[in-house]
Amino acid sequence: NAGVTQTPKFQVLKTGQSMTLQCAQDMNHEYMSWYRQDPGMGLRLIHYSVGAGITDQGEVPNGYNVSRSTTEDFPLRLLSAAPSQTSVYFCASSYSETGANVLTFGAGSRLTVL
Amino acid sequence: GQNIDQPTEMTATEGAIVQINCTYQTSGFNGLFWYQQHAGEAPTFLSYNVLDGLEEKGRFSSFLSRSKGYSYLLLKELQMKDSASYLCASSDSNYQLIWGAGTKLIIKP
Repeated sequence: NAGVTQTPKFQVLKTGQSMTLQCAQDMNHEYMSWYRQDPGMGLRLIHYSVGAGITDQGEVPNGYNVSRSTTEDFPLRLLSAAPSQTSVYFCASSYSETGANVLTFGAGSRLTVL
Repeated sequence: GQNIDQPTEMTATEGAIVQINCTYQTSGFNGLFWYQQHAGEAPTFLSYNVLDGLEEKGRFSSFLSRSKGYSYLLLKELQMKDSASYLCASSDSNYQLIWGAGTKLIIKP
């Protein structure tokens, strides 16, 4: 059981470039989400999904897009990278569609935007 | 507004006991989570409290007082591997999590 798999682990981008962070889970979880973690701040929710075909915005959605075409995959797209998007990104999933249960996190993706 | 506060950093000695406090203001409160996060790694679930009282899991215990908007995580018989950040998160009326900034726990021999 792989759990939640995120790729890549590290990425350096130039301002204005676009990229996709991949997230896949093999636990048949309905709820999936993307967080960013910055020093001195709590985890902040970017986007989330309660099932295939359903996505919604979190606290800090600007500059990011998501889609959920299958239960397993929930990619996060950065449309035009900015230095303010330098952060560590975590994908997390939960068996509860409300997300109000235990979250299983991926290993994280460290993104630097120059 | 919605808010979570926890100390930024704490230091304790191997073998001792430490209590990490968390205060919250959350509308439609639906429970309080604690996660452990080692440096450079993902958060992992430790405990969940929705009713007042103490939940014990081995060396770790978590307490909740809903009337006071207060929780603590108690770690006993500290080991060097307990050096990590401990994240407090409350669940609101929409079951969305509001996260504290985390408490970095440093264990000294």
